[in-house]
Amino acid sequence: AQRVTQPEKLLSVFKGAPVELKCNYSYSGSPELFWYVQYSRQRLQLLLRHISRESIKGFTADLNKGETSFHLKKPFAQEEDSAMYYCALSRDYGGATNKLIFGTGTLLAVQP
Amino acid sequence: DTGVSQDPRHKITKRGQNVTFRCDPISEHNRLYWYRQTLGQGPEFLTYFQNEAQLEKSRLLSDRFSAERPKGSFSTLEIQRTEQGDSAMYLCASSLWPRSGLTSSTDTQYFGPGTRLTVL
Repeated sequence: AQRVTQPEKLLSVFKGAPVELKCNYSYSGSPELFWYVQYSRQRLQLLLRHISRESIKGFTADLNKGETSFHLKKPFAQEEDSAMYYCALSRDYGGATNKLIFGTGTLLAVQP
Repeated sequence: DTGVSQDPRHKITKRGQNVTFRCDPISEHNRLYWYRQTLGQGPEFLTYFQNEAQLEKSRLLSDRFSAERPKGSFSTLEIQRTEQGDSAMYLCASSLWPRSGLTSSTDTQYFGPGTRLTVL
């Protein structure tokens, strides 16, 4: 079965500390992995996708197929990073995708 | 605002009533998705359209749920005989699938603000 697991409901760090939001997935085919973010009172928005290999707002995520993980990392957390983060999976149709399967989300709270 | 819009933003109804939600995607986007999100959970896929064709429906979409996208633009999601378990945030998203079928990085789903349904 296709599944995304985010083991932490809440991650609290101090400003300037490193951040790692964990995401593990279960998928038998060729997946595409995403991180979506939802800031307070805003809509869900794409942060990054593994196929792009980008760094967005200082965040990076590497797909580890051996460990079936796609952890989100940032070396120095900022207060404005406080938000709900969702890891999501989709089948890779050669760069395009359809339905997303989301994890339960991790609330990142960055303390001053 | 040229993003995905949803109407209404909030809906309170009594059990047994029918409700209908509307989603207006980004204008050039040909794919439209519906998701449902309950408290403490991530969004769960319900159904999606490419133009006016409904290509996939989740098992979550019981017979009481119906979605349409008659002209390939806006979409409606109707819930008949609502139950308390239908209380959730209903999210709409849209994306652009390359018409030529070539690979592209443009298939990013853009989400609307959601419609929060409360069934009393």
